[in-house]
Amino acid sequence: KNEVEQSPQNLTAQEGEFITINCSYSVGISALHWLQQHPGGGIVSLFMLSSGKKKHGRLIATINIQEKHSSLHITASHPRDSAVYICAVDASNYQLIWGAGTKLIIKP
Amino acid sequence: EPEVTQTPSHQVTQMGQEVILRCVPISNHLYFYWYRQILGQKVEFLVSFYNNEISEKSEIFDDQFSVERPDGSNFTLKIRSTKLEDSAMYFCASSVHYGYTFGSGTRLTVV
Repeated sequence: KNEVEQSPQNLTAQEGEFITINCSYSVGISALHWLQQHPGGGIVSLFMLSSGKKKHGRLIATINIQEKHSSLHITASHPRDSAVYICAVDASNYQLIWGAGTKLIIKP
Repeated sequence: EPEVTQTPSHQVTQMGQEVILRCVPISNHLYFYWYRQILGQKVEFLVSFYNNEISEKSEIFDDQFSVERPDGSNFTLKIRSTKLEDSAMYFCASSVHYGYTFGSGTRLTVV
């Protein structure tokens, strides 16, 4: 069983739509990360969460520690948001455990 | 904004050859990491490094792999005798404690 599960695996939406990507995990964590990977391969850290909610521009990330679940929302989506969004968790031993990623395509 | 720099961006090597992937972490960061991503698969942890020694390593990080911080700024990953299955994108990351900054990766192709 994967320790970090993301859904959906693929998501295609129209420009302007509200996007939600989900992440569930089964291990104890100290923090959860949302990251963005563009087609060129580079990884950018979007959020680090240990509780509650964070907002940066059109991106919002929430985490429910009791339910071991996090969501990444994108409001007013734009084609430049097209990327792979990855959830990763800080386990107790100095390593990130990664989800498989959600491939998001926003059509104009 | 401070960046983690990786070189080269792409390396092609013959099977059995040694490769060294280089990373310059952010200067005040204390923890350093290598991850890899085989094409089409999820990112996998290789090794973490703190206080000039390995703090954690995965099963992937066998005797073929080694890491060094030779001069206080560079952080290198060496693969002694590359295999075809070592072909992947290799990412370096650094952190103060939590909160990672990633390099743009080195795409290693073993032929």
